[in-house]
Amino acid sequence: GQQLNQSPQSMFIQEGEDVSMNCTSSSIFNTWLWYKQDPGEGPVLLIALYKAGELTSNGRLTAQFGITRKDSFLNISASIPSDVGIYFCAGQNSGAGSYQLTFGKGTKLSVIP
Amino acid sequence: DADVTQTPRNRITKTGKRIMLECSQTKGHDRMYWYRQDPGLGLQLIYYSFDVKDINKGEISDGYSVSRQAQAKFSLSLESAIPNQTALYFCATSDLGANEQFFGPGTRLTVL
Repeated sequence: GQQLNQSPQSMFIQEGEDVSMNCTSSSIFNTWLWYKQDPGEGPVLLIALYKAGELTSNGRLTAQFGITRKDSFLNISASIPSDVGIYFCAGQNSGAGSYQLTFGKGTKLSVIP
Repeated sequence: DADVTQTPRNRITKTGKRIMLECSQTKGHDRMYWYRQDPGLGLQLIYYSFDVKDINKGEISDGYSVSRQAQAKFSLSLESAIPNQTALYFCATSDLGANEQFFGPGTRLTVL
């Protein structure tokens, strides 16, 4: 089956620093999604990417759909304490006839004030 | 009000008991999903339904069953709960033809 490798597993950063995390896949996706999960809550969709090479921003967040269609990255600029949480990537290949999402294992972000 | 709601939010049960987790949505989406999350792992798909008459197994369906009672309701049952089913359970929905899934707040299930 499809596998997603998400890295890093966890990061500790100072408030104000920029953050970068990425996901790589063993197979091609035609959609990449990035979610954030706060403690005790469900994942919330941050950014959706639909085209290879696409670069999309949502406030201080920027995500890119890799040209090979096998990777994606998420950047957070000027981190703040409320950025703390677990970030998940998810890929989908609806062209294969399935609308299932494959999730990475998450990047746990801690922000030191 | 939340678009996707789950009940209960927390549940403690004993090995061998039958339990049901419920999910309701007001988004008008056709597709609904049940996921399981274990510490340090991503979300694993248990079952999904593309409409009321459609039920499909996900990656880890063994030990679980589902019922799609209406477009807005999708319930997950554990017929005979076992301790390794202790996990967070999430319901999600998506619109027809759309890839984005929207998640409920989760149910924390503990099986003793």
